Amino acid sequence: NAGVTQTPKFRILKIGQSMTLQCTQDMNHNYMYWYRQDPGMGLKLIYYSVGAGITDKGEVPNGYNVSRSTTEDFPLRLELAAPSQTSVYFCASSYLTGVSSPLHFGNGTRLTVT
Amino acid sequence: KQEVTQIPAALSVPEGENLVLNCSFTDSAIYNLQWFRQDPGKGLTSLLLIQSSQREQTSGRLNASLDKSSGRSTLYIAASQPGDSATYLCAVAFSGTYKYIFGTGTRLKVLA
Repeated sequence: NAGVTQTPKFRILKIGQSMTLQCTQDMNHNYMYWYRQDPGMGLKLIYYSVGAGITDKGEVPNGYNVSRSTTEDFPLRLELAAPSQTSVYFCASSYLTGVSSPLHFGNGTRLTVT
Repeated sequence: KQEVTQIPAALSVPEGENLVLNCSFTDSAIYNLQWFRQDPGKGLTSLLLIQSSQREQTSGRLNASLDKSSGRSTLYIAASQPGDSATYLCAVAFSGTYKYIFGTGTRLKVLA
């Protein structure tokens, strides 16, 4: 049981480049989330999804896009990378119908934009 | 606005002390609340999940309580050990949107 898998683990981008952070879960969770964590700070919600085909903005969505074509996958797209997007990105999933399950996290992607 | 606050931001205690970490949230209509541990440079480990209908949860030396009416949760750590040193984060899933909003965390250091 792999849980939540994120790729890549590390990435360096130049300003203006774009990339997709991959996230997949094998727990059949309906909810999936993308967070960013800046040094010494808590987690800020970027986007979340309540199921395939449904996504919504979180606290800090500017500069990012998401899609949810399947229950398992929730990729995060960065267009025109900026230094302010240097951060650690975490994907998470949960089951929130009836009695909810704990929020499960991937191991994170450390992104540097220079 | 739905917000989650954690106090104190940092805490340093001698080994063996019992301690309490606090989490406050602005909207009492919540789905659940979860406590996490994060070691430096690492991901998040789930410690305890409290459903909206529950008042507390216990796991080993950890006890988490929930008071929705006052918008507060506490994490009690008994007989602290140096291995407990980490950042502790609380996250609240607010009803209606089911967004998990995180507090900024409490950085705990237990001195041997």
